[in-house]
Amino acid sequence: DTAVSQTPKYLVTQMGNDKSIKCEQNLGHDTMYWYKQDSKKFLKIMFSYNNKELIINETVPNRFSPKSPDKAHLNLHINSLELGDSAVYFCASSQVRMVGNEQFFGPGTRLTVL
Amino acid sequence: AQKVTQAQTEISVVEKEDVTLDCVYETRDTTYYLFWYKQPPSGELVFLIRRNSFDEQNEISGRYSWNFQKSTSSFNFTITASQVVDSAVYFCALRVNTGTASKLTFGTGTRLQVTL
Repeated sequence: DTAVSQTPKYLVTQMGNDKSIKCEQNLGHDTMYWYKQDSKKFLKIMFSYNNKELIINETVPNRFSPKSPDKAHLNLHINSLELGDSAVYFCASSQVRMVGNEQFFGPGTRLTVL
Repeated sequence: AQKVTQAQTEISVVEKEDVTLDCVYETRDTTYYLFWYKQPPSGELVFLIRRNSFDEQNEISGRYSWNFQKSTSSFNFTITASQVVDSAVYFCALRVNTGTASKLTFGTGTRLQVTL
C-alpha cells in the first residue's frame, strides 16, 4: 500500500564514502523529486525528473547524481560524502497534469556522515 | 523568484486553545498553488491542503481551517481546540505553474507544541 517508499530509512557512513538512496512510487505518477531537509528543518528541492528526464537541477554539488531507470524509480547516488551532507533526504512524486499537482512524500532517509 | 515566510518559528499552546500559523508568500506569477504540510515527530511529511490562486474561499476540515487572502499574500492555518497530537512542524509551501518544471518552495516551518 505504500505510495512512496525510500530505502534505507537510516544511513550512517564515514566521510569520503559513496552511498545510494533508493526511491520508488506506486502511484503511477510521471514526476519524481529529491528534497533535502537540513538540521534546521529547512526543506529545499535538489532534483526533479519527469518521465525519466531531468527537469530541475538546483545548485547541488556534482557529487550528487540522480538516476531514474523508469518513471517509478528515482535513486540518489552521493560520492565522496562530506559532513555537510548529513540531512534527511525526502523523495516525492506527483502527476504533472493532475490539477493541483500535489507532491506525495516518502518517509525520508536520515543520512549521518561521521 | 518565489519566497514563503513563516515568521513564527515556534508556538506553544495548552490543549484546547486555538492557534493560528501564519504564512506569507511572494511570487510574480498569477497562477500558483499554496500548500500546507505537517511533519510530526516521526518525521514524515503529510499533505494537509492545496489551494490555487483563483480560489480564495476559506476551507474548514474538522478542527482545521485555512484563510487565503490574496490582498495580503497570506495563507494562514488555524487549529481549533488544539490537541497534543497536533504537535508537529507545519510547513507552508508555494508552487508556481511552470509546466513540467514543478517544484515546491517551502517556508522555514513553524514548530507547534501542544501541552496538557
